[in-house]
Amino acid sequence: DAMVIQNPRYQVTQFGKPVTLSCSQTLNHNVMYWYQQKSSQAPKLLFHYYDKDFNNEADTPDNFQSRRPNTSFCFLDIRSPGLGDAAMYLCATSTRLVAGSGNEQFFGPGTRLTVL
Amino acid sequence: AQKITQTQPGMFVQEKEAVTLDCTYDTSDPSYGLFWYKQPSSGEMIFLIYQGSYDQQNATEGRYSLNFQKARKSANLVISASQLGDSAMYFCAMREGTHNFNKFYFGSGTKLNVKP
Repeated sequence: DAMVIQNPRYQVTQFGKPVTLSCSQTLNHNVMYWYQQKSSQAPKLLFHYYDKDFNNEADTPDNFQSRRPNTSFCFLDIRSPGLGDAAMYLCATSTRLVAGSGNEQFFGPGTRLTVL
Repeated sequence: AQKITQTQPGMFVQEKEAVTLDCTYDTSDPSYGLFWYKQPSSGEMIFLIYQGSYDQQNATEGRYSLNFQKARKSANLVISASQLGDSAMYFCAMREGTHNFNKFYFGSGTKLNVKP
C-alpha cells in the first residue's frame, strides 16, 4: 500500500543533543511537510518542500532544519533540542495542485519526541 | 483573525446518534478547499472529507457529510450513526487560493467522545 512512513515512532533524546527524524513516502508526491504538534493543539507547520524547493515558515526556529535528498525521503533535524521541543512531529505529503482536486495532505503516523 | 475556528473543544454523543462538529473559516480568496481530519489517540491524522469552494453540492463520504454554507463561511462535519471508534480529535482545515496553496490552516480541534 502506498503510504507515508515515519521512523522512529518514539524518540528520546537529551537536552541539547542533536536528533534526526525521518519520513519516507511511496506516493510519489511532490510536496512534503513537517508539522510540530503539542498536546491538545493543532499541528503547526514548520516547513515544506515543493520538489526541491524549500519553504520555511517565518516563525520556525533556526534550531529546526530539513533535508530532502530525493522525492521519497525527507528529514527533520533538531540541532539542539530544548524541553519545549518535546512534541509529536508529523510528516505529510500532497500532490501538486490539480484543478478540481482536493489536494489533501496524507499524514504519517508521527514521531513522538521526548527531551530529557 | 483566525483562518479556521472550531468553537467546541469537546463533544459527547451517544452511540448510533448523529453529531455535528462546527467549523467556520475566514478567507477573501474565492478559491479554497476545506478538509476534515480525524486524529485518534495513536496520533495519525486521517483524511475524512473535502469540500471545494466551487462545489455546488455538499460533500459526502460514507457516514461523513460536510454541511457547507458558503455565505456563512461554515463547513460543519456531520457524522451519522456514531460508533465507539469515532472517538477522536477532529480537525477542520483550509487550503487557501492558488498562491501558497500548499499551506493548510488548521483549527484547534474538537475532541469527540462517543458513549456506549
